[in-house]
Amino acid sequence: DIVMTQSPDSLAVPLGERATIHCKSSQSVLYSSNNKNYLAWFQQRPGQPPKLLIYWASTRESGVPDRFSGSGSGTDFTLTISSLQAEDVAVYYCQQYYSTPYTFGQGTKLEIK
Amino acid sequence: EVQLVESGGGLVQPGRSLRLSCAASGFTLDDYAIHWVRQAPGKGLEWVSGISWNRRSIGYADSVKGRFTISRDNTKNSLYLQMNGLRAEDTALYYCAKGTIYDILDYWGQGTLVTVSS
Repeated sequence: DIVMTQSPDSLAVPLGERATIHCKSSQSVLYSSNNKNYLAWFQQRPGQPPKLLIYWASTRESGVPDRFSGSGSGTDFTLTISSLQAEDVAVYYCQQYYSTPYTFGQGTKLEIK
Repeated sequence: EVQLVESGGGLVQPGRSLRLSCAASGFTLDDYAIHWVRQAPGKGLEWVSGISWNRRSIGYADSVKGRFTISRDNTKNSLYLQMNGLRAEDTALYYCAKGTIYDILDYWGQGTLVTVSS
């Protein structure tokens, strides 16, 4: 199974500042035949189901604000929120859909400092 | 509007069975894979099972393999998760999620809570 490890486990950032979350996979999730990274990011606000933010490691889902961006390739990935807003308080998860069982990172709790 | 509505959760004793349902609307279920993802209280997300649009591809997490069975009835726009031999560690909020052709989970239901306890 592919193990997904996020860092940090929690993060406190002032409003308007940048927030960065890292995700590392135990093996590459880059599929050579199409050169795509099978990596997604989700946001889960308290009491809500997860919401897809980013897929293919860097493609923003429709309707997601452009302050959210994803980067990385192979085994190392980053989710960046360029200017933190109050509504961004949530737990963020990375997930690989390269091979089953599809696995999630343990989550990163993002708060306002 | 895409909607997924889970049902069938509840309190069940260890060793017993439960069948979850996921009703889909706002899209043609025939064309998409559907997955079950669970979240134990206060914990992270765990992929449980998934089934392709044509049922040819089915997968399970090791933690549920041999105990859970996923199925779908496209004529009823519904998906099911039969859970047998339930254990305390199966206690969780169970979400169904729509998968794109590449199994990107783009829409999620609100979840149904399963509690396994004597």
